[in-house]
Amino acid sequence: EAGVTQSPTHLIKTRGQQATLRCSPISGHTSVYWYQQALGLGLQFLLWYDEGEERNRGNFPPRFSGRQFPNYSSELNVNALELEDSALYLCASLRDREETQYFGPGTRLLVL
Amino acid sequence: KQEVTQIPAALSVPEGENLVLNCSFTDSAIYNLQWFRQDPGKGLTSLLLIQSSQREQTSGRLNASLDKSSGRSTLYIAASQPGDSATYLCALEGANNLFFGTGTRLTVIP
Repeated sequence: EAGVTQSPTHLIKTRGQQATLRCSPISGHTSVYWYQQALGLGLQFLLWYDEGEERNRGNFPPRFSGRQFPNYSSELNVNALELEDSALYLCASLRDREETQYFGPGTRLLVL
Repeated sequence: KQEVTQIPAALSVPEGENLVLNCSFTDSAIYNLQWFRQDPGKGLTSLLLIQSSQREQTSGRLNASLDKSSGRSTLYIAASQPGDSATYLCALEGANNLFFGTGTRLTVIP
């Protein structure tokens, strides 16, 4: 069974640009979570999608947005990039709320 | 490749007990180690982060230790409460990735 996949693995942008990160969950998983891990900081919850709907979001500005497609894959969009947006962005999927989340390898975003 | 193991997989304790969760890892070349709790329907919540140069961190009733030489970390929870019931995960940050353990499901019985 394939795990959670994310693309791209690395992304370099400049301030003010937009970044789009993609996540494909494990087959059969309908929930997708997005997290930000800035260097030296703890993992922070960004967004939760379930069955195509945004269910919850963390304490991030509106320029962080996303969506979930009918096949349950998901995109995270970050507009008007700032230097502090440089981080590892992780996606996780799960089938049932009681189960452990399975994490993808992450996308490392660097904003110059 | 980093391998992270958590023991036990599940744990039930009566309210008020002190408990220890264990995390072991194979590669000591890490930037930091984190402990998280996972609640159904919510994202992971970071509990404690220990930098590679540190040996322990404390927050309230929680204390986490890190021993890179032995490849182990422990999360100590004092005076457990029913609200502590959750799945606890440890994760190690390497150069380009975050490696998660398999988690310990804790149930605190009132």
